[in-house]
Amino acid sequence: AQTVTQSQPEMSVQEAETVTLSCTYDTSENNYYLFWYKQPPSRQMILVIRQEAYKQQNATENRFSVNFQKAAKSFSLKISDSQLGDTAMYFCAFSQGNTPLVFGKGTRLSVIA
Amino acid sequence: DGGITQSPKYLFRKEGQNVTLSCEQNLNHDAMYWYRQDPGQGLRLIYYSQIVNDFQKGDIAEGYSVSREKKESFPLTVTSAQKNPTAFYLCAWSPGTSVDTDTQYFGPGTRLTVL
Repeated sequence: AQTVTQSQPEMSVQEAETVTLSCTYDTSENNYYLFWYKQPPSRQMILVIRQEAYKQQNATENRFSVNFQKAAKSFSLKISDSQLGDTAMYFCAFSQGNTPLVFGKGTRLSVIA
Repeated sequence: DGGITQSPKYLFRKEGQNVTLSCEQNLNHDAMYWYRQDPGQGLRLIYYSQIVNDFQKGDIAEGYSVSREKKESFPLTVTSAQKNPTAFYLCAWSPGTSVDTDTQYFGPGTRLTVL
């Protein structure tokens, strides 16, 4: 069974600085998908970024980018120019494609003014 | 709401009562999912359905039941057999297109509290 591990329960960053959230996963599959979701205090789960395992190029979405290391089974999220609105729980998730997501336990990120 | 509606936002029930959480989507997508979230935990899968009149158990299906009589609706019933039902419940859907078959989008969630 696939597992997803987020080793940082809590992190904090100064506004305008850069922060990196870690995620590792375990799978024997070669084709899969990885995601980062954001859950602000409203508790709405919001997709931040998506990466297909067969793509070597790291995904980017504005201030959010990933460092995908397939051999190491690592999928970290970098947030540049952190903003107060980035304060949230961040969840890393794994899917084999059209299957339920497997989630990590999350990292609580606080952006400090 | 990402194309999916969950109601109510807050729900209270007495111990021993069944309660049904609503999940409706208006985007004509086949795949729908129910997850449970507890404090300090990630989301755990309860049930999912990829086609009308068919559904599969997830990791924590005991004490829950679902139906999928219509494509747009996937209600979750929390039965009295569920030992610890107080939690936040999230419903999700995925497009199932060739480009984006795997991405899931979530509703706003229902907070269930057992009194």
